[in-house]
Amino acid sequence: AIQMTQSPSSLSASVGDRVTITCRASQDIRNDLAWYQQRPGKAPKLLIYGASNLQTGVPSRFSGSGSGTDFTLTITSLQPEDFATYYCLQDHNYPRTFGQGTKLEIK
Amino acid sequence: QVQLQESGPGLVKPSQTLSLTCTVSGASISSGGYYWSWIRQRPGKGLEWIGYVYSSGSNYYNPSLKSRVTISLDTSKNQFSLNLTSVTAADTAVYYCARDDYGAPFDPWGQGTLVTVSS
Repeated sequence: AIQMTQSPSSLSASVGDRVTITCRASQDIRNDLAWYQQRPGKAPKLLIYGASNLQTGVPSRFSGSGSGTDFTLTITSLQPEDFATYYCLQDHNYPRTFGQGTKLEIK
Repeated sequence: QVQLQESGPGLVKPSQTLSLTCTVSGASISSGGYYWSWIRQRPGKGLEWIGYVYSSGSNYYNPSLKSRVTISLDTSKNQFSLNLTSVTAADTAVYYCARDDYGAPFDPWGQGTLVTVSS
């Protein structure tokens, strides 16, 4: 199975900050990478698919980039509702595998 | 829009079978070429993909759970189900159902249901 490694595992930031989360795949997954946001007690929500495509309804302050093995999720101008846990997912093959998550906390 | 809703017992005894159902509204599970998946999240942990049933009824399971998992379609009720046998405390988790598709993985999700394995 493809291993997905996220960093950092946790991150403190302030409203208005710009943050970047990275995800590394254990092998080339082209651009088959998605990002999810999960708020406490809620199901994950798809933010980005195909490494850089913004899901309908997701604010434009979210963006994704990368291909091959290295990917990033960037959030510009953090809003209070953005403090959550973020996961990457490889949908290159099965079994689907997620990163371990990055918890974004308020500084 | 498409909505998914999990249902089933919240408490299962060790060694028994965990059975959950996902009811889909706004789409037919037997058409559209979608992969209907189960995903779980152990308390305080990350996400683990369990497996899928395709619109045609074919399956693929996570090798880590393959010997204990069955996912099936009930087209008459527009539902798909998860059976996980021989459960232990390590199977205690929130179980989610989700639709998977090329280009739009795991979207949407159900709200999740907590299953506790305990005697």
